[in-house]
Amino acid sequence: DVKVTQSSRYLVKRTGEKVFLECVQDMDHENMFWYRQDPGLGLRLIYFSYDVKMKEKGDIPEGYSVSREKKERFSLILESASTNQTSMYLCASSSLAGKPFEQYFGPGTRLTVT
Amino acid sequence: RKEVEQDPGPFNVPEGATVAFNCTYSNSASQSFFWYRQDCRKEPKLLMSVYSSGNEDGRFTAQLNRASQYISLLIRDSKLSDSATYLCVEEYGNKLVFGAGTILRVKS
Repeated sequence: DVKVTQSSRYLVKRTGEKVFLECVQDMDHENMFWYRQDPGLGLRLIYFSYDVKMKEKGDIPEGYSVSREKKERFSLILESASTNQTSMYLCASSSLAGKPFEQYFGPGTRLTVT
Repeated sequence: RKEVEQDPGPFNVPEGATVAFNCTYSNSASQSFFWYRQDCRKEPKLLMSVYSSGNEDGRFTAQLNRASQYISLLIRDSKLSDSATYLCVEEYGNKLVFGAGTILRVKS
């Protein structure tokens, strides 16, 4: 079974702090994604990566950056956390060879910025 | 304007009922469509793909109408375990675009 893990289930940070969210997948997937999920808005794509050291902006990249130094790990960075970044953050991965539309999600990190 | 629109529900149905959800999309160039399922406090998981010719998987039937730009999901003989949020998804430009979801509650 594909397993996608995220470093924390719950996180509370203060405004202005730098926040790191880590995601690791164990199926050698090429594609990795970061979404945020908010009530009534659904999942919105922040950044994605199709290969190591490669990144592409999604629909809402402002205030975020990412890092992919190894194939299995994709990190989301909030340079200076703000209260409007309070949300559920979901990481996902998919394979280019199989069904690229079948994304496997991690359990999510609920981030609260106070 | 959101690219994928869904009725948020909730749809409250008794066990054994048939329930249908619709979803509309705005990108006529979208290539493919899917339904994902998200249980309460869990991550989304792929439920099924949607084809113009229809796609049936047990009690679930998904249909795509390109002319009217909508996708449907029909669930027959609803079970308590079908209670979840159903996300309508389009593949556009090698990315997935998710709807906000429709909540289904099946009651005994």
